[in-house]
This record gives sequence, C-alpha cells and structure tokens, in this order.
Amino acid sequence: EAGVAQSPRYKIIEKRQSVAFWCNPISGHATLYWYQQILGQGPKLLIQFQNNGVVDDSQLPKDRFSAERLKGVDSTLKIQPAKLEDSAVYLCASSLVSIAGGSTDTQYFGPGTRLTVL
Amino acid sequence: AQKITQTQPGMFVQEKEAVTLDCTYDTSDPSYGLFWYKQPSSGEMIFLIYQGSYDQQNATEGRYSLNFQKARKSANLVISASQLGDSAMYFCAMRAARGQNFVFGPGTRLSVLP
Repeated sequence: EAGVAQSPRYKIIEKRQSVAFWCNPISGHATLYWYQQILGQGPKLLIQFQNNGVVDDSQLPKDRFSAERLKGVDSTLKIQPAKLEDSAVYLCASSLVSIAGGSTDTQYFGPGTRLTVL
Repeated sequence: AQKITQTQPGMFVQEKEAVTLDCTYDTSDPSYGLFWYKQPSSGEMIFLIYQGSYDQQNATEGRYSLNFQKARKSANLVISASQLGDSAMYFCAMRAARGQNFVFGPGTRLSVLP
C-alpha cells in the first residue's frame, strides 16, 4: 500500500513570495491533515479535512494560508505572501476513520516539505 | 483542553539496552487515544504504537511497549534492545473522542550509543 505522498520535498523562497505544497493521502483515507512543524517543536495542526469539507481550521492563519481538497482526495496548501516565521516543515497526514469515529484513528504521515523563507 | 507533556528533551541509551521515554497527558474526556511517533532526521513521522483509554492491557508492537498508567495519566514508551537506528525524535500524541485536535508533545530526542 502506497503511503502519503508530498511534493516538493524542499522549497526555498524569499519573503513575500508565494508557495504551494501538494499532498496525496493513502487511498481510501477520508480525513486529511496539514501540520506545521517548526524546528525543535512538535507538529501543530493547521487544517483538517473530512472528504472535501473543512472540519477544523481554527489554527490556520487565514490572512496568508489557504488549503483546498476539491475532490476529496489530494490537497494543496498555499502560503501567500510568505513570512520569515513560516520557515518550517509542512507535514501532511491522512487517516481512515472519520473524526466522528473518535480517538482511534491513527494518522499516517508523508515525508514533509521543508520550507525555508529568506 | 488537551495537553501532552514530555519532560525529557534528550535521552541517551547504550545499544542493546532498554529505554523509557516519558509522557504525561491531561484531558477531561473519559475516552481518548494515545499515540507514539518516531521522527528520524529524514523528517517523516512514523507511527509506532497506540493505546486506547479503555484498553485493559498495555499495548505492545515488537520492541515497543506502552506503559499505560491511567490514574497517573502517563503513557510511557519502552523500547527494548535499543538499536542504532532508534536514534530519532519521539513524539507522544493524544486525541480525545469528542473530535478534538490531535495534540503532540514537544518530543524527546533519543540517541543510541554504540
């Protein structure tokens, strides 16, 4: 079974530029998550999708970040314009069970995209 | 609100020895799940083990076991017979059943010495 795919693996941009990350979850996984992991910290949830609907985006900086999952499969996370503090690893994860399934839904992560903003 | 605490920023262990990584949690929800992930230097988060709050027995997966003490709200990861490839960051995480966010702790960096 193929795992979660992400691209690109690395991205270097200058501040105020735009950047987009792509994620393809494990086949059949209804729930997709985007996390931001700043160096030395644990991942922080940015947004959670259930199929193509947003379940939780309370920690997404909506003035500059946006995400979509139009067909309920792959997803794109965009930053526009980027700031220096956006330098981080952006992790995508997916899980089989819906959020209504409760606590048991194990999340499986992709390799991440390391973003450096200069 | 949910919270995960990992008090050990870094740990060292000799190859082939066992090591315990600490995790304490806080939630008011009686139903929750606890997870441990490994993050090597390559960056990918690798799922290791899961423990449900109503599980009667401690979870085990190969060399990994979870020492679950519900009354103390602790879910320590035990790695037996450490290998050099176990050197990585280890994150404890939790989700309560009422649809709350998946919350990660700050992590513990484990270094296995030859």
